[in-house]
Amino acid sequence: AQKVTQAQTEISVVEKEDVTLDCVYETRDTTYYLFWYKQPPSGELVFLIRRNSFDEQNEISGRYSWNFQKSTSSFNFTITASQVVDSAVYFCALSEVEGRRALTFGSGTRLQVQP
Amino acid sequence: DAGVTQSPTHLIKTRGQQVTLRCSPKSGHDTVSWYQQALGQGPQFIFQYYEEEERQRGNFPDRFSGHQFPNYSSELNVNALLLGDSALYLCASRPWGGGALDTQYFGPGTRLTVL
Repeated sequence: AQKVTQAQTEISVVEKEDVTLDCVYETRDTTYYLFWYKQPPSGELVFLIRRNSFDEQNEISGRYSWNFQKSTSSFNFTITASQVVDSAVYFCALSEVEGRRALTFGSGTRLQVQP
Repeated sequence: DAGVTQSPTHLIKTRGQQVTLRCSPKSGHDTVSWYQQALGQGPQFIFQYYEEEERQRGNFPDRFSGHQFPNYSSELNVNALLLGDSALYLCASRPWGGGALDTQYFGPGTRLTVL
């Protein structure tokens, strides 16, 4: 069975601080996808990134960066120079590569960025 | 490019009633999944439809059923509503074939309240 753990329930930072959201996963699959989604107060899940398990290269997109470490089963997400607009709930998710590919989500981390 | 759309936005029902939620997938997508998100939790996979058939099902009772139409749109039906069915219901779509486009995109959700 697959499992995603986001141990940080809520994080509060002041604008311009850097913040890292942790994600640890469990799966018996040898290949899998990892995702991060953002859920603003409106409720819609916004796709941020997809990572294949065979590609451990870290990725940077503007102020966002992702650190994938297969050895520790972690896929952490860092926001550099946070902004108030980053305030949202962030979800880490996992799916198989073959098969039906249903997403298994973590419980989410609520990020509050104070001005 | 039209994204995933859902209707209605909000719905209030009483225990024992039945409800139907609707979803239109993103343009070019043929696979639709439904997720239930209880307050303060991550989304939970209900089921997935492709070619008008249920392809995968999560741990939800038979009171939850669905349908997919030839135009790829989908409905989620819940019978004999319980208070615990109150949640945000999210629809997601993706192309069945996967590959580089294998990412689920979510709609804005339908918030169901059962009184």
